[in-house]
Amino acid sequence: DSGVTQTPKHLITATGQRVTLRCSPRSGDLSVYWYQQSLDQGLQFLIQYYNGEERAKGNILERFSAQQFPDLHSELNLSSLELGDSALYFCASSRDRAYGYTFGSGTRLTVV
Amino acid sequence: TQLLEQSPQFLSIQEGENLTVYCNSSSVFSSLQWYRQEPGEGPVLLVTVVTGGEVKKLKRLTFQFGDARKDSSLHITAAQPGDTGLYLCAGVTYGGSQGNLIFGKGTKLSVKP
Repeated sequence: DSGVTQTPKHLITATGQRVTLRCSPRSGDLSVYWYQQSLDQGLQFLIQYYNGEERAKGNILERFSAQQFPDLHSELNLSSLELGDSALYFCASSRDRAYGYTFGSGTRLTVV
Repeated sequence: TQLLEQSPQFLSIQEGENLTVYCNSSSVFSSLQWYRQEPGEGPVLLVTVVTGGEVKKLKRLTFQFGDARKDSSLHITAAQPGDTGLYLCAGVTYGGSQGNLIFGKGTKLSVKP
């Protein structure tokens, strides 16, 4: 157990639908990061939150959004899903990025 | 766009062999991290290298950060089946729009008994 909890582990949904992925960071970590991992693109940074505030944005589509709540857990919302959104979605947390991230086990999203 | 290129993409070797994987960029990083990822799991941090020319050892794994802080290598001595996995390097940027780790696409290592 890395200390970062992601739910659900697997999600199968239809095109056009909306899903919410949840992440609880490691205790004491204020930063949460979301990544998308696909076979051809590798790990792609989506967005970072620090203590409830958006800190950095990467290759996140407009159909995707995220937030971090006062208890520091975070949610990634994916809407109008397309087949190409099928991927592994990872959440990571850190105290300081220079010392590494702790990743959760990921949510495998399959859009059919 | 800052890119980290890893080579080789795939590596299949026999138990007991030595190997080196490389991570290269045209950009300078403040530090570089190596992760290992097993199927169905998230990446796990192995090491962080900070100083140009730095060498760190973790049992049979030796990590080196290039003098110019643009590249790194991971050398595994006497590989074992338990070393099988995806090895990812990640560079910590000096700010910028990403403001985060830039990951390479990884080297997929398979060590056969």
